Amino acid sequence: EVQLVESGGGLARPGRSLILSCEASGFKFENYAMHWVRQAPGKGLEWVAGISWGSGNIAYGDSVKGRFTISRDNTRNSLYLHMNRLRTEDTALYYCAKPRTATPGVLDFWGQGVLVTVSS
Amino acid sequence: DFQMTQSPSSVSASVGDRVTITCRASQDITSSLAWYQKTPGKAPKLLVYGASILQSGVPSRFTGSGFGTYFTLTISGLQPEDFASYYCQQTHIFPYTFGQGTKLEIK
Repeated sequence: EVQLVESGGGLARPGRSLILSCEASGFKFENYAMHWVRQAPGKGLEWVAGISWGSGNIAYGDSVKGRFTISRDNTRNSLYLHMNRLRTEDTALYYCAKPRTATPGVLDFWGQGVLVTVSS
Repeated sequence: DFQMTQSPSSVSASVGDRVTITCRASQDITSSLAWYQKTPGKAPKLLVYGASILQSGVPSRFTGSGFGTYFTLTISGLQPEDFASYYCQQTHIFPYTFGQGTKLEIK
């Protein structure tokens, strides 16, 4: 059974940092690209970042480029999101998502999400 | 970056109705378009990918179509569990942008 479990969320002050983790199980993690997607309160889904299976191809949404870093450790079946210089508008529920095998952008399984609140 | 524009932003309908949501891409994305359903408190659910391919387990009342820059998601015979928000996403190239969403409400 595929499982994605996010952790590391919480309250952070503007300008500070936070690291999110996503532990994967039930599939061969090292063979899949992975993604972070967020949803701010009352807003829509926003694609945040994606990373290829071997970390050779990485991309970010415009609103987090230069502040967030996505990474992975295939030996630990884990995905990470290092969030620096946090802003109040980064407050959101952050989802880790796995794509379908042959279509790296199509997200067929999602974690339950981890809440990040940025407030002074 | 590719911009995705959905319409309408919200729509009211009754159980049994048929509803169509549209999604336009700012550039040609061929058939690289996915649709998701989002209900409060739940993770998003993949409905359609490749513009028209139904994800396994999704009821056949959901139909996706389109190519290039214009796409639609049609729900025929609305069921109570279908009242949710729907998002399109271009899966053609990084960044994989979402549309702003369409909220389907009960009339």
